[in-house]
Amino acid sequence: AQTVTQSQPEMSVQEAETVTLSCTYDTSESNYYLFWYKQPPSRQMILVIRQEAYKQQNATENRFSVNFQKAAKSFSLKISDSQLGDTAMYFCAFMENTGNQFYFGTGTSLTVIP
Amino acid sequence: EAQVTQNPRYLITVTGKKLTVTCSQNMNHEYMSWYRQDPGLGLRQIYYSMNVEVTDKGDVPEGYKVSRKEKRNFPLILESPSPNQTSLYFCASSFLRGGEQFFGPGTRLTVL
Repeated sequence: AQTVTQSQPEMSVQEAETVTLSCTYDTSESNYYLFWYKQPPSRQMILVIRQEAYKQQNATENRFSVNFQKAAKSFSLKISDSQLGDTAMYFCAFMENTGNQFYFGTGTSLTVIP
Repeated sequence: EAQVTQNPRYLITVTGKKLTVTCSQNMNHEYMSWYRQDPGLGLRQIYYSMNVEVTDKGDVPEGYKVSRKEKRNFPLILESPSPNQTSLYFCASSFLRGGEQFFGPGTRLTVL
């Protein structure tokens, strides 16, 4: 079974600072999709960023960017200029190009401190 | 408004009483999926569907059934619920496999 590992169950960051959430995954495939989802206290799941493995350029969405290291099977999320609204659970997720299953990590609970 | 809807949002039931959680999307998405979320375990996929009449098991399918008779609907059926199925359930859909998944608001199920 494919696995996604998030080794930081909880993190905190001061408002306006930068924080990086880590994610590693396991696969023998060469092409796949990686995602970061945010789940605020409302429980709604919101896509933060998506990366296709065959694209070498790291995806960015405003204050959110990823560091995709394919050889290391690492997909970390960097949040710049942290805001109070970034307080949420963050899930890393993975899907192989040849498969149909979707795999989530166990999540990192991020708290932004005023 | 493009969305995924789930009903009910909250449900308390007793062991063995059959129940169905409905899921509907209005975006003409091919791929639909059900997940359960439990503390410390993240989200785990129960079942998914690539298209009408095409469904397959995810990581935790035991005790659940699904059907995909229409493209927009993907109900989750618990024939004989047990307390270990107490969880938060999410339905999701995407236009393509590997594309962004849009999630419903979640269904909080408690089985006594």
